[in-house]
Amino acid sequence: DVQLVESGGGLVQPGRSLRLSCAASGFSFDDYAMHWVRQVPGKGLEWVSGISWNSGNIGYLDSVKGRFIISRDNAKNSLYLQMNSLRDEDTALYYCAKDMFPVAAAGPFDHWGQGTLVTVSS
Amino acid sequence: EIVLTQSPATLSLSPGERATLSCRASQSVSSYLAWYQQKPGQAPRLLVYDASNRATGIPARFSGSRSGTDFTLTISSLEPEDFAVYYCQQRYNWPPTFGQGTRLEIK
Repeated sequence: DVQLVESGGGLVQPGRSLRLSCAASGFSFDDYAMHWVRQVPGKGLEWVSGISWNSGNIGYLDSVKGRFIISRDNAKNSLYLQMNSLRDEDTALYYCAKDMFPVAAAGPFDHWGQGTLVTVSS
Repeated sequence: EIVLTQSPATLSLSPGERATLSCRASQSVSSYLAWYQQKPGQAPRLLVYDASNRATGIPARFSGSRSGTDFTLTISSLEPEDFAVYYCQQRYNWPPTFGQGTRLEIK
């Protein structure tokens, strides 16, 4: 079975950094694009960033460009999101999601983790 | 950025009834639209992709269709476990975007 397990969330002050991780298992990780999608509790879904199977195609939501960096380590079956210069509006549950396809890296997202909560507050 | 507008915001129906959820794209997304279901405290689940293809393990009562930039998710006969929030999502352009969701509630 496909499993995606996020970690690294927590309470952080505005302007500080946090690194999220996603450990993947149950599928050939290096065959698929991967994503981070966030959700403010009680609100809708917002795509944050995506990365193709070989890291050759990477995209970001405009509001996180220049602050967040997505990466992956195919040898470790892991996805990461380095979040710098955090803002109050980055507060959300962050999901790791697997793409159905390897390259285009825009979904659809056929498997999701349970999410890790990031709270940005002073 | 492509905007997806879902309607209605809330749909109140009874088990056994037919549900019709709509998603309209602000410009063409071809057939690159997916539907997700999210229950409280759970991650979203992919139901339909590329407008009309059911994802693995999704019951046949869920179906998707397209007419131009208008997309429909139909649940033919509601089961108690179908009451949830539903989102559409396009992958035609970056960034991938989601609709604001339709809450399907028990009448």
